[in-house]
Amino acid sequence: AQSVTQLDSQVPVFEEAPVELRCNYSSSVSVYLFWYVQYPNQGLQLLLKYLSGSTLVESINGFEAEFNKSQTSFHLRKPSVHISDTAEYFCAVSPPARVNTGFQKLVFGTGTRLLVSP
Amino acid sequence: DAGVIQSPRHEVTEMGQEVTLRCKPISGHDYLFWYRQTMMRGLELLIYFNNNVPIDDSGMPEDRFSAKMPNASFSTLKIQPSEPRDSAVYFCASSLTTTNTEAFFGQGTRLTVV
Repeated sequence: AQSVTQLDSQVPVFEEAPVELRCNYSSSVSVYLFWYVQYPNQGLQLLLKYLSGSTLVESINGFEAEFNKSQTSFHLRKPSVHISDTAEYFCAVSPPARVNTGFQKLVFGTGTRLLVSP
Repeated sequence: DAGVIQSPRHEVTEMGQEVTLRCKPISGHDYLFWYRQTMMRGLELLIYFNNNVPIDDSGMPEDRFSAKMPNASFSTLKIQPSEPRDSAVYFCASSLTTTNTEAFFGQGTRLTVV
């Protein structure tokens, strides 16, 4: 079974400052890794994902995350945050799809609330 | 496509009443998921369907909860009878994948049971 730990429930930061949201996972098999973002009163949206290949993945709005297998981590970073980045961020994992049964369900962390102030 | 559509967006009901939440997945998606989000437990997967068939309902909290998917474009989550501890935001999501690439979420239904 897989599990995800997001140690920080809330991260306050000033606008234009850098930020890192931490995510650690536990799994006995290889995994796919995801970051989802939830803006107030909205559903979750995929921010970025790691399936294979380059361990550094980027989103279109300046976030990046690096898969570190030895540390079992997938921390999310942004060098300069905006007020509009205020949201809740969820890390999630799943094992790769099985050939015969397909989809493997996502396991979510408890979320980190990013609060960006002027 | 308009994305995953859930209705209603907000529901307030009295304890003991039946509640039905509705979801229209993205056209062509063959997986549908129901999640519940609370402050205490975070995001929990309740049940998911593949090609309209329930695959895993181990997350359904108790027999008061039931979910159906009569066709590829519609699913319901029913709570009967409802209790105050069922108050939460319920999300529906869908995906088209056998490679775990992405799940698309609806905007959720905020349920309040008084």
